[in-house]
Amino acid sequence: QVQLQESGPGLVKPSETLSLTCTVSGGSIRRYSWSWIRQSPGKGLEWIGYVSSSGDTKYTPSLESRVTISVDTSRNQFSLHLNSVTAADTAVYHCASAGVVGTAHYFDYWGQGRLVTVSS
Amino acid sequence: DIQMTQSPSSLSASVGDRVTMTCRASQRISSFVNWYQQKPGKAPKLLIYASSNFQSGVPSRFSGSGSGTDFTLTISSLQPEDFAIYYCQQSYNVPWTFGQGTRVDI
Repeated sequence: QVQLQESGPGLVKPSETLSLTCTVSGGSIRRYSWSWIRQSPGKGLEWIGYVSSSGDTKYTPSLESRVTISVDTSRNQFSLHLNSVTAADTAVYHCASAGVVGTAHYFDYWGQGRLVTVSS
Repeated sequence: DIQMTQSPSSLSASVGDRVTMTCRASQRISSFVNWYQQKPGKAPKLLIYASSNFQSGVPSRFSGSGSGTDFTLTISSLQPEDFAIYYCQQSYNVPWTFGQGTRVDI
């Protein structure tokens, strides 16, 4: 059973960089692609982007200029960096694995979520 | 981006009821729709992938159908543990997008 756990600061100042790490256990990080998804009352669930085990990335266009997702296969971890944050980036951030059957992708395992508040 | 619109936004039902909710995509997306259940304070849980395929361990009272633009999630006999918010999500095109959710209340 794959398990994911987010870690990182829960409070970030405006204009600074939000950084979170997701640690994967119970499975190899080489088997899937890995996503970050955030959830806020105002915007619901928003997919941020993914990184494949080989390091390929895709991001949602609205955040693409500010976001980087990377993978460290030696540590079974992947990370999110979102720069120049504002209060609008306050949300619960989930990491998730993206399973695939054929060309159909789906989020089959999720971390419990990390609340990140942007405030001075 | 593909917009996913769920209806109703909320519904009230009783244990044993048959419950149906819908999700409409802003363009044709074949069968690339997934359904999730979320309870308060928890991460979403995958129920159905690719429109009608059960995720392992999901009770058979849940079923999904649809293709093109219109999709349905049905709970055949609502159980107490099914009161939650349900989200659809498309994986036809990046950026992958979610519906706004249907809340199922007692």
